[in-house]
Amino acid sequence: DQQVKQNSPSLSVQEGRISILNCDYTNSMFDYFLWYKKYPAEGPTFLISISSIKDKNEDGRFTVFLNKSAKHLSLHIVPSQPGDSAVYFCAASREGAQKLVFGQGTRLTINP
Amino acid sequence: DTAVSQTPKYLVTQMGNDKSIKCEQNLGHDTMYWYKQDSKKFLKIMFSYNNKELIINETVPNRFSPKSPDKAHLNLHINSLELGDSAVYFCASSQRKSNEKLFFGSGTQLSVL
Repeated sequence: DQQVKQNSPSLSVQEGRISILNCDYTNSMFDYFLWYKKYPAEGPTFLISISSIKDKNEDGRFTVFLNKSAKHLSLHIVPSQPGDSAVYFCAASREGAQKLVFGQGTRLTINP
Repeated sequence: DTAVSQTPKYLVTQMGNDKSIKCEQNLGHDTMYWYKQDSKKFLKIMFSYNNKELIINETVPNRFSPKSPDKAHLNLHINSLELGDSAVYFCASSQRKSNEKLFFGSGTQLSVL
């Protein structure tokens, strides 16, 4: 039973355009959401997060949107750069659980 | 200096063998984790330790035994390796009160033949 799902295994975007990565979750108890970025042969690194009391969080070129009623979040990257090519993992947690539940990742490729 | 380091990076072994993966963090964090990335690419938690105390044991076969000699180290020992154990294993750490943000090691690719 996968509580966090990223239904697009891959996404290809032209450099300079917007990249939109999507994530759905099923557990309504989740109250904190994160995105991690992973390069080959490296571990995931934290990118951006959002609490369930917000619907948007922005950090430079990265913005995360949360739609609690739809149990959906998305990561927007604009403008996309070649260095953004990586696998992006969505993750969720709930108060007191002390663990993250991850999706299966979306491979983003930015084409020059 | 690598914040979370795990060794070895690659591990190829035969079924039935016993192997260990070591993990060390120099971030001063209290909590350490083992995650497994399976063939479907999901990252799933296996264990969590806080100050050498086991916090989470996520229905992992008891062939897997974590050991935390101190809060900076969390090693993973696997007995009687099976084909299905082939995966990438990631160690991670976090501060006690902000456990959502994890710092990961670079992973150990385990292949059981």
